[in-house]
Amino acid sequence: SQQGEEDPQALSIQEGENATMNCSYKTSINNLQWYRQNSGRGLVHLILIRSNEREKHSGRLRVTLDTSKKSSSLLITASRAADTASYFCATDHGGTSYGKLTFGQGTILTVHP
Amino acid sequence: GAGVSQTPSNKVTEKGKYVELRCDPISGHTALYWYRQSLGQGPEFLIYFQGTGAADDSGLPNDRFFAVRPEGSVSTLKIQRTERGDSAVYLCASSPKGGQGGTEAFFGQGTRLTVV
Repeated sequence: SQQGEEDPQALSIQEGENATMNCSYKTSINNLQWYRQNSGRGLVHLILIRSNEREKHSGRLRVTLDTSKKSSSLLITASRAADTASYFCATDHGGTSYGKLTFGQGTILTVHP
Repeated sequence: GAGVSQTPSNKVTEKGKYVELRCDPISGHTALYWYRQSLGQGPEFLIYFQGTGAADDSGLPNDRFFAVRPEGSVSTLKIQRTERGDSAVYLCASSPKGGQGGTEAFFGQGTRLTVV
């Protein structure tokens, strides 16, 4: 069953604005990852944050993790039209199935030129 | 190859038929995963291989679904007696190892299966 829940389900912004997406989960994690998907096909890995980390940056991306609230956020700064895509959080709960991911339902981001 | 390769990219089959979906992971990646994604949903885990063995097949929906990875590289997902509800995009991913601490997964472009 899906553990991750993301909000908003859809987000529409203008180029240059920041986009924030949130993800919540239910049970403890080994790490949390964010992926991007264009046109409903392959997913591209954006960033991985481990359970003992609180914040990570990669270019225009900033991810935070609050394990006490079981939540994470993805911030895309200075958005571009090319950022238009679906964004998914995925949790790795460790155990014997290392690397097995549980995905949220995703946020559809539309960036208008 | 440079990335994870999945074939075919699209497959249309009639209800009740048997289908095979192929995944060629990144060379040297020992961990391989199959996911299924329905329209408007996130991917759902099906099965995980570490080397040749299925380490976790808890996501396979029923016994019509089976997957193999005989030589620890290419994997085939097999669906018997297909049903219209099996229509989805089937995604394969690989990673260097399914190890502690976790690593990113590299996804293929998926196979869009349509059962008519």
